[in-house]
Amino acid sequence: KAGVTQTPRYLIKTRGQQVTLSCSPISGHRSVSWYQQTPGQGLQFLFEYFSETQRNKGNFPGRFSGRQFSNSRSEMNVSTLELGDSALYLCASSLVLVGGYTFGSGTRLTVV
Amino acid sequence: AQSVTQLDSQVPVFEEAPVELRCNYSSSVSVYLFWYVQYPNQGLQLLLKYLSGSTLVKGINGFEAEFNKSQTSFHLRKPSVHISDTAEYFCAVSESNYGGSQGNLIFGKGTKLSVKP
Repeated sequence: KAGVTQTPRYLIKTRGQQVTLSCSPISGHRSVSWYQQTPGQGLQFLFEYFSETQRNKGNFPGRFSGRQFSNSRSEMNVSTLELGDSALYLCASSLVLVGGYTFGSGTRLTVV
Repeated sequence: AQSVTQLDSQVPVFEEAPVELRCNYSSSVSVYLFWYVQYPNQGLQLLLKYLSGSTLVKGINGFEAEFNKSQTSFHLRKPSVHISDTAEYFCAVSESNYGGSQGNLIFGKGTKLSVKP
C-alpha cells in the first residue's frame, strides 16, 4: 500500500513569505503528526492531529499552524518565514494513537 | 520534562561485527520507547517499539532492544551488521499516559552508524 506522501519534496521561499506543506497519510490512518528536523535542534514535534482535532502542539511560535481534513489529509502552514525555518519537515501517520508512526520522506524547505 | 540522550553521536564498526547504540531517557511517568532509522534524504523508518510486556523487543533487519526501567535505558543491538545498516539512528520516547497518545515523540540527537568493509 502507498506510504505517507508529502508534497512538495523541495521548496525555496523568501523571508516574509508564507508556505503550505501537504501530507497524505496511509489509507485508513487517522492520526497525523508533524516534525521539524534541523542539524542544530534535531527532530522537534510540531503538532498531532486525530480525526480533525489537534491533540497536541509543540513549542513553536504561532506562525506555525496546521489542520487535518475529514479524509485525514493534513496541511501545515508557516507564515512570515524566517531564515531559521529552513528545515526538513516530516509528516507521520498512525492507524491508532499508540503503535508507532510511519514517516513520509519529508519536505525540504529552504528560506532565502 | 522528558528527555532522551543518545550517548554516541557517531559509531564506526566493521562489517559483521556486533553493535550497540545507547539510549537513556528521563521521564517522571511511564513511557513508550522507539527506535527509528533514517537513510540519507529519506524520512524515518520504525525499527522497533516498546509499549508494554516483554522488555526484550525484536525489530526489523535483525535489530533488537532491551528496556531497562531501573537504568532508564533502551539500547539498540545487532549481532552482525552489514554495509546497508549505515544510517542515522534515533531513539524516541513518549509518555504512555498522555491522553493515550504517543504522537508527541521526544527524539534523541541521533547516532550515525558507519559500517566499514
